[in-house]
Amino acid sequence: QVQLVESGGDVVQPGKSLRLSCAASGFSFSSYGIHWVRQSPDKGLEWVAFISYDGSTEYYGDSVQGRFTVSRENSRNTVYLQMGTLRSEDTAVYYCAKESWLNNRAYPSHWGQGTRVTVSS
Amino acid sequence: EVVMTQSPATLSVSPGERATLSCRASESIGRALAWFQQKPGQAPRLLIYGASSRATGIPARFSGSGSETEFTLTISSLQSEDFAVYYCQQYDNWPPYSFGQGTRVEIK
Repeated sequence: QVQLVESGGDVVQPGKSLRLSCAASGFSFSSYGIHWVRQSPDKGLEWVAFISYDGSTEYYGDSVQGRFTVSRENSRNTVYLQMGTLRSEDTAVYYCAKESWLNNRAYPSHWGQGTRVTVSS
Repeated sequence: EVVMTQSPATLSVSPGERATLSCRASESIGRALAWFQQKPGQAPRLLIYGASSRATGIPARFSGSGSETEFTLTISSLQSEDFAVYYCQQYDNWPPYSFGQGTRVEIK
């Protein structure tokens, strides 16, 4: 079955960097795009970033554009989220999610359990 | 950006009763809408996609309807395990994906 496992969450100081990983199994990883979505108590669910199945296309939310970078290694069935210049407002649980398709539209069908990032001095 | 608005924020329902949750999009999204259930400490779980298609393993008491800008999630007879927060999400016009702010279904 489809499984996504996030890791790398930690407590970090403002201005520092952190890399999250999303390890996938149970499906043809190199055929699907992957999203990152975060959740903080005061902001609900917030879409963060997307990388296409082959890594050729990346999108970012406005709040992380220029600070976060998404990448993937299809040989390792893993997607990464490199988070730079972290701010207190980046504190959240970060989920990765696999896309599925219906009628030429892709939705996030399977989610990992999340990894917690806390930005605090 | 498409803004998703859910109502009500909290819904108090007795077990066995029907729950109706609403989601409105700020512009037409066709039927590109998903519903998720989230319980404390857990990741969101896909319930409905394409506005009305149940995801694998989702009980028939969950149903979705609507199109364009108005959508509804109905739980026909609430079970104890259904008390949770429910989110809608549009995937027609992105980036960004946009989520509603959630509806909490609580025991009356």
